[in-house]
Amino acid sequence: SQQGEEDPQALSIQEGENATMNCSYKTSINNLQWYRQNSGRGLVHLILIRSNEREKHSGRLRVTLDTSKKSSSLLITASRAADTASYFCATILGSARQLTFGSGTQLTVLP
Amino acid sequence: DTAVSQTPKYLVTQMGNDKSIKCEQNLGHDTMYWYKQDSKKFLKIMFSYNNKELIINETVPNRFSPKSPDKAHLNLHINSLELGDSAVYFCASSPPGGASGELFFGEGSRLTVL
Repeated sequence: SQQGEEDPQALSIQEGENATMNCSYKTSINNLQWYRQNSGRGLVHLILIRSNEREKHSGRLRVTLDTSKKSSSLLITASRAADTASYFCATILGSARQLTFGSGTQLTVLP
Repeated sequence: DTAVSQTPKYLVTQMGNDKSIKCEQNLGHDTMYWYKQDSKKFLKIMFSYNNKELIINETVPNRFSPKSPDKAHLNLHINSLELGDSAVYFCASSPPGGASGELFFGEGSRLTVL
């Protein structure tokens, strides 16, 4: 089964609104990362939050991590049309050596 | 000054053919990866090399053979292409510490098998 499930699968908002995406995982993690993928492009790393951190900020991005609930959320404030992309969470699960990606949330920001 | 570059970006070929995708990174990273992204955007790791040595080989058909001539290059050769191989293939690299830090991705190579 796929570890790292994003919710919702798709989200459509108006420019200026906030967008919240959630990620759940099933086993212990060392850190959790969020990536953005613009249409037809490669993935770009946004932010990494370690398992001993609860919240992290980077510009208009705010990431939270709740290890007791095995979940993370990505908040994009004051969204812009340029934020339209797919957003993925990714984790290294347990003793695995590779980064496992979630199924992604497609965010559409309408001008 | 592209960090991770893949060629070709698009590849259209017939079933049964053999094709290669090349990847190069100029970041000085030791670890490189191949990921496959299907039509639903699900990303699955295929291979990982650390300093030219294979360290991860997920369950992929042996028609897929990675080759790393040096730590800056990781190529993917696919024999006897099948319709189900159609996908976008991403190369990525990571600095020492492996995938515990961020991955740097190429722009992807879209393979279409007819």
